[in-house]
Amino acid sequence: KAGVTQTPRYLIKTRGQQVTLSCSPISGHRSVSWYQQTPGQGLQFLFEYFSETQRNKGNFPGRFSGRQFSNSRSEMNVSTLELGDSALYLCASSIPTSGANVLTFGAGSRLTVL
Amino acid sequence: GEDVEQSLFLSVREGDSSVINCTYTDSSSTYLYWYKQEPGAGLQLLTYIFSNMDMKQDQRLTVLLNKKDKHLSLRIADTQTGDSAIYFCAESQPMNYGGSQGNLIFGKGTKLSVKP
Repeated sequence: KAGVTQTPRYLIKTRGQQVTLSCSPISGHRSVSWYQQTPGQGLQFLFEYFSETQRNKGNFPGRFSGRQFSNSRSEMNVSTLELGDSALYLCASSIPTSGANVLTFGAGSRLTVL
Repeated sequence: GEDVEQSLFLSVREGDSSVINCTYTDSSSTYLYWYKQEPGAGLQLLTYIFSNMDMKQDQRLTVLLNKKDKHLSLRIADTQTGDSAIYFCAESQPMNYGGSQGNLIFGKGTKLSVKP
């Protein structure tokens, strides 16, 4: 079974640009969550999508947005990039259950903003 | 708000046991998790424990939960150099505080270094 695939793995942008990151979940997983990982703040929840609907959103400015397609693939977009947006962006997929939240993470997209 | 605290570093010798500690704030968390992150990789779920359990063992891993003190620990027996990584403790944010399935609260991670 293929894992969670994130593209691109690495990218460099300049301030003011925008970026789109992609996540393909494990087949059959309909829930996709996004996290930002930085050395200072650690892992912070961005948003979660299920069946093309945003189910939850973390405390990030409106420059951060996302969407999910009918095949469960998800994208996140960051507009008007700032230096502080440099981070590893992690996507995780899961099968919603009433039990434990077993998230399977991708390897991440490392964004550097210059 | 919810918070998960971990010490940042732990160094052990190969063959020793490692114990990574974590404290959390939300007593209504139903599950608590341990994830591992190796350099250049995403997070890998190691194990999780249901809040009504005190202990869970899975091969070399033992999780202990003290719900009264909101303290969680991960013990790795016979630690190997391949166990060198960052270990994250995480809890689910309760639904009544805006939580959802994919929304975990993570600690900052404990970097485990294993010396030969």
